[in-house]
Amino acid sequence: QSALAQPASVSGSRGQSITISCTGTSSDIGAYNYVSWYQLYPGRAPKLMTYDVTKRPSGVSNRFSGSKSGNTASLTISGLQAEDEADYYCASYTTSDTILFGGGTKVTVL
Amino acid sequence: QVQLVQSGDEVKKPGASVRVSCGASGYTFTRYEITWVRQAPGQGLEWMGWIRRGNAIYAQKVHDRVTMTTDPSTDTAYMELRGLTSDDTAMYYCSRNGGGLDLWGQGTLVTVSS
Repeated sequence: QSALAQPASVSGSRGQSITISCTGTSSDIGAYNYVSWYQLYPGRAPKLMTYDVTKRPSGVSNRFSGSKSGNTASLTISGLQAEDEADYYCASYTTSDTILFGGGTKVTVL
Repeated sequence: QVQLVQSGDEVKKPGASVRVSCGASGYTFTRYEITWVRQAPGQGLEWMGWIRRGNAIYAQKVHDRVTMTTDPSTDTAYMELRGLTSDDTAMYYCSRNGGGLDLWGQGTLVTVSS
């Protein structure tokens, strides 16, 4: 299976909103509402930011929100802050009972 | 404290095997799946497989070289990878599937080098 498709990079100014897309197929994103997003800083373990498309774990800022339409999921970061500069990965459960990750998106705060 | 603690970094020669452990604490180990994910240098996250109630499902890329197990008596999960090549050089993570991968180990760096 090929990785879910994400833009290589997205940038925005402090205070702005940005959206990262994650495109899959009817065998993964389109099949279930089991899309999650992860934040990675260099040298640190991934951190879960959203799961089951729209849910947010306790402790994660409400500036992070997830959505899905058809075979494409999205992560929106509102009120962009310097500490949001990181790599972000989407992941989806698939009809093969596996997980498929996206290729990752580097977010830059201008 | 709810956490996953992994074994230390490893250096292996090509063709060797490596076993990484992942000890759970602070929660009921048997209630959650353990997923293994790796990240090669400069690359993205790669799902390797998961184990739930003793049954494992592996990614096609590594399915003939990997074995994932759990020991409920010690709340520990293990991932063994055989026939190592330089392409297996990566940071290996265990994680808990609690609605997304909500808890992660600190990572184990496996370096394959002659």
